[in-house]
Amino acid sequence: AQTVTQSQPEMSVQEAETVTLSCTYDTSESDYYLFWYKQPPSRQMILVIRQEAYKQQNATENRFSVNFQKAAKSFSLKISDSQLGDAAMYFCAYRSAWGATNKLIFGTGTLLAVQP
Amino acid sequence: NAGVTQTPKFQVLKTGQSMTLQCAQDMNHNSMYWYRQDPGMGLRLIYYSASEGTTDKGEVPNGYNVSRLNKREFSLRLESAAPSQTSVYFCASCRDSHEQFFGPGTRLTVL
Repeated sequence: AQTVTQSQPEMSVQEAETVTLSCTYDTSESDYYLFWYKQPPSRQMILVIRQEAYKQQNATENRFSVNFQKAAKSFSLKISDSQLGDAAMYFCAYRSAWGATNKLIFGTGTLLAVQP
Repeated sequence: NAGVTQTPKFQVLKTGQSMTLQCAQDMNHNSMYWYRQDPGMGLRLIYYSASEGTTDKGEVPNGYNVSRLNKREFSLRLESAAPSQTSVYFCASCRDSHEQFFGPGTRLTVL
């Protein structure tokens, strides 16, 4: 069975600085998707970024980028120029590319605080 | 286009009471999901429906039942609520191989 591990329960960053959140996963599959979701205090789950395992290029969305290391099974999220609105819980998630279920497996989350 | 909606937003139950959490999506998605979120545990899948007319158990199905009423609606029922079911419940939907979209969540407390 696949597992997702986020080893940093809490992180803190100064406004305008850069922070990296870690995620590792375990799978025997070769084709899959990885996601980072943001959950602000409103509880709404918001997709931040998505990476297809077959793509070697790291995904980027504005100030958010990932470092995808397939062999190491590592998928970290880098937030550049941190803003107060980035303060939230961040979840890493895995989804198999096989089958029609599209089930997500989540890590336990990293709570990010942004200091002004 | 409301996306994924859930009712109610908050609910308090006594042990042994029953209730149904409602979820609806207006994005014409085939797949729908119910998750629960507990502190330090992330989101765990309770049940899912890959398509209209089908439902399957997820990681933590015990104590729950689901109904995929039609393509839009997917309800979660607690027949006899227990304090261990105190949690935040999220419904989600997705189209084929795309990302899941989440509802705003329901905070349930069982006394």
